[in-house]
Amino acid sequence: DTGVSQDPRHKITKRGQNVTFRCDPISEHNRLYWYRQTLGQGPEFLTYFQNEAQLEKSRLLSDRFSAERPKGSFSTLEIQRTEQGDSAMYLCASSPTTVNTGELFFGEGSRLTVL
Amino acid sequence: GNSVTQMEGPVTLSEEAFLTINCTYTATGYPSLFWYVQYPGEGLQLLLKATKADDKGSNKGFEATYRKETTSFHLEKGSVQVSDSAVYFCALSKSSFKTIFGAGTRLFVKA
Repeated sequence: DTGVSQDPRHKITKRGQNVTFRCDPISEHNRLYWYRQTLGQGPEFLTYFQNEAQLEKSRLLSDRFSAERPKGSFSTLEIQRTEQGDSAMYLCASSPTTVNTGELFFGEGSRLTVL
Repeated sequence: GNSVTQMEGPVTLSEEAFLTINCTYTATGYPSLFWYVQYPGEGLQLLLKATKADDKGSNKGFEATYRKETTSFHLEKGSVQVSDSAVYFCALSKSSFKTIFGAGTRLFVKA
């Protein structure tokens, strides 16, 4: 049984560049979430998909951020024109819809450093 | 709005000591409450949960009781081990898609 996987695990980029992160959820999970975590803080909700539909977006998600889940399986999170304030750990989580326990299954995260 | 406040760390204990990590929340209605744990180099994973007032969640020797009257969900363990060293996050959820996390409390357990 494979868990949630994220790629890349680490990304260092220069300010102004675009970056893309990929998340592969647990295969039978319909729901997929993106969170952002900065040093010393807990995860903050960014966005949520049920299958391929993006149903909720946080105000934290500026127009430089876009997330997709085109076939209801893997998801991508793209950040355009990165800024130093975007440096953070980007976490992906998934959960099933059939049994809604509220539990989130997290990947290990993608750490972004913007120089 | 909804929020979670947990005690600041780091917390440093000797092996077999008693652990309490305080967590209080602000929310309307009746949220579900969770404790997640993040071991070094790993992703967050659910430790325990409670879905209604007076419920007690428990797992791996850890316990937490949902106290509506004090809006609290304190994490306790009677005897910690070195392997319990991790970051612990208290969280609440009022809907199926949005979970709100506290800032986390780092625990160090010395042998």
